[in-house]
Amino acid sequence: NAGVTQTPKFQVLKTGQSMTLQCAQDMNHEYMSWYRQDPGMGLRLIHYSVGAGITDQGEVPNGYNVSRSTTEDFPLRLLSAAPSQTSVYFCASSYLEGQPQHFGDGTRLSIL
Amino acid sequence: EDKVVQSPLSLVVHEGDTVTLNCSYEVTNFRSLLWYKQEKKAPTFLFMLTSSGIEKKSGRLSSILDKKELFSILNITATQTGDSAVYLCAGNTPLVFGKGTRLSVIA
Repeated sequence: NAGVTQTPKFQVLKTGQSMTLQCAQDMNHEYMSWYRQDPGMGLRLIHYSVGAGITDQGEVPNGYNVSRSTTEDFPLRLLSAAPSQTSVYFCASSYLEGQPQHFGDGTRLSIL
Repeated sequence: EDKVVQSPLSLVVHEGDTVTLNCSYEVTNFRSLLWYKQEKKAPTFLFMLTSSGIEKKSGRLSSILDKKELFSILNITATQTGDSAVYLCAGNTPLVFGKGTRLSVIA
């Protein structure tokens, strides 16, 4: 049972590049979400999804896109990377919204 | 704007001490208060609290919620070095996290 799997674990980008952070869960969870964690800032919600085909913005959505075409996958896209997006990104899922979430191990992203 | 405030931000104690971590919240669509422990990587779930005054316990850890005062505490008794971590509090829903309390337990 893999739980929540994030890839890649580390990535370095140049300003202006685009990339997709992958997140997959094998627990048949309806609710999935993306957070970023910066030093001294805690975890901040970027986007979330209550089920396939439904997404919504969190606290800090600017510069990021998401889609949820299947229950299992919830990729996060950076359209034009900026140094301010250097952070650790966590994907999380739960069976339903409001229930405790399971977190992936994170992707450490550096943008030069 | 939803807000969760944790205190203290950091804490250093000796093994065997008892610690209390604090969490206050202002969450518009409040359903529950969650506590997580974060060591090197992913946060791991500790407790979810939905009702006032009902203590939840797991070994040496316990937590309680006061919905009137919009407050929760996490207690750790007889601390061990393995308790060293960042403890995160979050109001639901959607999850709004506090900045965390970094607990260091020294032998």
